[in-house]
Amino acid sequence: KQEVTQIPAALSVPEGENLVLNCSFTDSAIYNLQWFRQDPGKGLTSLLLIQSSQREQTSGRLNASLDKSSGRSTLYIAASQPGDSATYLCAVTNQAGTALIFGKGTTLSVSS
Amino acid sequence: NAGVTQTPKFQVLKTGQSMTLQCAQDMNHNSMYWYRQDPGMGLRLIYYSASEGTTDKGEVPNGYNVSRLNKREFSLRLESAAPSQTSVYFCASSERLGYSNQPQHFGDGTRLSIL
Repeated sequence: KQEVTQIPAALSVPEGENLVLNCSFTDSAIYNLQWFRQDPGKGLTSLLLIQSSQREQTSGRLNASLDKSSGRSTLYIAASQPGDSATYLCAVTNQAGTALIFGKGTTLSVSS
Repeated sequence: NAGVTQTPKFQVLKTGQSMTLQCAQDMNHNSMYWYRQDPGMGLRLIYYSASEGTTDKGEVPNGYNVSRLNKREFSLRLESAAPSQTSVYFCASSERLGYSNQPQHFGDGTRLSIL
């Protein structure tokens, strides 16, 4: 059974710092991997999607990498801002493409 | 842009009552999903609909039923609510299930408490 783990569970950094969030998964047979952002009391916003054949995706200050063979993905946030404070969720799509399996998230706090 | 709209946003029920959570998307997506989010458990898939007229069970379907009313709407029904079903429910949609480059888009959730 696919399991997704995110480390750390919580992270506090000062504004301007570059940071890395980690995601690992137990079964490398994935369809794709998505990173989401969730603000308190809100839904999920898709940040980046990496297909299984890709190594990385970039959007603005965000860069996500995928190493399927080792079952790892990282989300790199450059020059963090207080507005980046949120919970970041990693999810993989099973090989059948029918379901997203989520990690429990990393809660990020960026102080000004 | 509305995207995925869920109603109601909040609901309190008594044990044994029934209710239907509504979800509608305006992106002309073929596939729709229902998840629940519980503290310490993450999001788990309840049911999904690959296309209009089809529905399939996810990881935690017990106690729920779904209806794909048309391409836009996908409802989730609790026939006899139990305290264990207290959760935040999210509806999501994607252009087509099984396409590896298609992200899922989520609604803002329904916060359901069962007393």
